[in-house]
Amino acid sequence: KQEVTQIPAALSVPEGENLVLNCSFTDSAIYNLQWFRQDPGKGLTSLLLIQSSQREQTSGRLNASLDKSSGRSTLYIAASQPGDSATYLCAVPSGGYQKVTFGTGTKLQVIP
Amino acid sequence: EPEVTQTPSHQVTQMGQEVILRCVPISNHLYFYWYRQILGQKVEFLVSFYNNEISEKSEIFDDQFSVERPDGSNFTLKIRSTKLEDSAMYFCASSVRVTNTEAFFGQGTRLTVV
Repeated sequence: KQEVTQIPAALSVPEGENLVLNCSFTDSAIYNLQWFRQDPGKGLTSLLLIQSSQREQTSGRLNASLDKSSGRSTLYIAASQPGDSATYLCAVPSGGYQKVTFGTGTKLQVIP
Repeated sequence: EPEVTQTPSHQVTQMGQEVILRCVPISNHLYFYWYRQILGQKVEFLVSFYNNEISEKSEIFDDQFSVERPDGSNFTLKIRSTKLEDSAMYFCASSVRVTNTEAFFGQGTRLTVV
């Protein structure tokens, strides 16, 4: 059974700081990993999809890396802004192709 | 930009009542999903749907749940007899393919059972 853990659970940083969010998963037989952003009481916004054959994927100030063999992914946010404040979730396929397991989330607060 | 649309955004219902949550997936997508998130907990997979039938479901998706694609655009989740513990945010998602493709999520329907 796939288990997905995110560390830290919460993070508070001053504006402008670079930061790293961590995601670990127990079953490394995955074909992709997706990072999402969730604002309070809102839906899920897809940030990045990284394929199992890739090691990195970039979108603007975001960079996601994937190390399948160690069961880890990181989301790097450069030059953080108050608008980045949200909960960040990683999600990996679990068992069948279509079932996705979400992580516990990291709640990020960027202080102006 | 195409998006997944869910209605209503918030629904309050009495315990024991039936509710139908509605979703309009992105038009060229073939795979459809429902997830739920109980307040303060993880997002959990409920069911996936392809070619007009359920392709995978979780242990949460018991006989009180059903899904349907009644026409070419809507995708619905029905809860037959709601319980207090069904209170959660329900997310619909869709994707073009099942593997190596992004899943796009709607904004969710907050269901409150009283």
